[in-house]
Amino acid sequence: EVQLVESGGGLVQPGGSLRLSCEASGFTFSSYWMTWVRQAPGKGLAWVAKMNQDGSQKHYVDSVKGRFTISRDNAKNSLYLQMNSLRAEDTALYYCARVCSSTSCYAADDFWGQGTLVTVSS
Amino acid sequence: QLVLTQSPSASASLGASVNLTCTLSSGHSTYAIAWHQQQPEKGPRYLMKLNTDGSHSKGDGIPDRFSGSSSGAERYLTISSLQSEDGADYYCQTWGTDFSVFGGGTKLTVL
Repeated sequence: EVQLVESGGGLVQPGGSLRLSCEASGFTFSSYWMTWVRQAPGKGLAWVAKMNQDGSQKHYVDSVKGRFTISRDNAKNSLYLQMNSLRAEDTALYYCARVCSSTSCYAADDFWGQGTLVTVSS
Repeated sequence: QLVLTQSPSASASLGASVNLTCTLSSGHSTYAIAWHQQQPEKGPRYLMKLNTDGSHSKGDGIPDRFSGSSSGAERYLTISSLQSEDGADYYCQTWGTDFSVFGGGTKLTVL
C-alpha cells in the first residue's frame, strides 16, 4: 500500500525557517518524481515545487523561488521542503504527492499524504 | 499563462448525476488533466487522468460511477448515482515539465 506521511509543520515567526519531511512507503520511491502542494486555510490547492528521481531537476512556483528548496534522500525514502524567509501568506497545510510514472496516469499526482500544517505568525 | 477554471459550487440530489467542468485557458486546449476529490478534513484523492480525446484512466478503487469526458478546452467529471459521501471539493490539475497548476475547485453538495 502506498503511503506518504508528512511531518515537520508548526508555528513559526515571519522570517523564520522550517523543514518539512515526507516519508514514503509501499513503492519504489527512487523511481518517481515527487511534488509539494499546499492549501491555505479555506482555500484551494496550490502547487509549490517538484523534483525528479535523482534530484537533478527541481521546479518551483514563482512565489517561493529563492526561499524554498525541495530535496530528497532516496536511501531514506524521504522528500523534504526547506522553507526559509517565511511569510504569513505561506501559512497552509502542506501535502506531498507522488507523480505518476505509468502510461495510464503519466505526470498526474496519483497518491497524496494527509498534510502537515505550517502557521507563520508572530 | 495556463489557467484552469472551475465553477465554485454545484449541487445535485442523492441518486442523481452531476457534471463538473474544468476549462483550459485559450491556447491550451490539448492539455490532459487530472481530477482529484477532497472530502472534508481529508487529503486529496486522485480520481482519474483525462486526456484530450476523452479517454481516461482511474485511480485504484475509484467506483464506476465516476467518469470523464472532453470537448475542446472543456474537461468533464461525471458522477452518477450520487451518494452522500460524494459531497466534497473537486479539483482539476494540469502540468508541464516545469510546472503544475490546479483549478480553483468546485464544492459539490449532495442534496
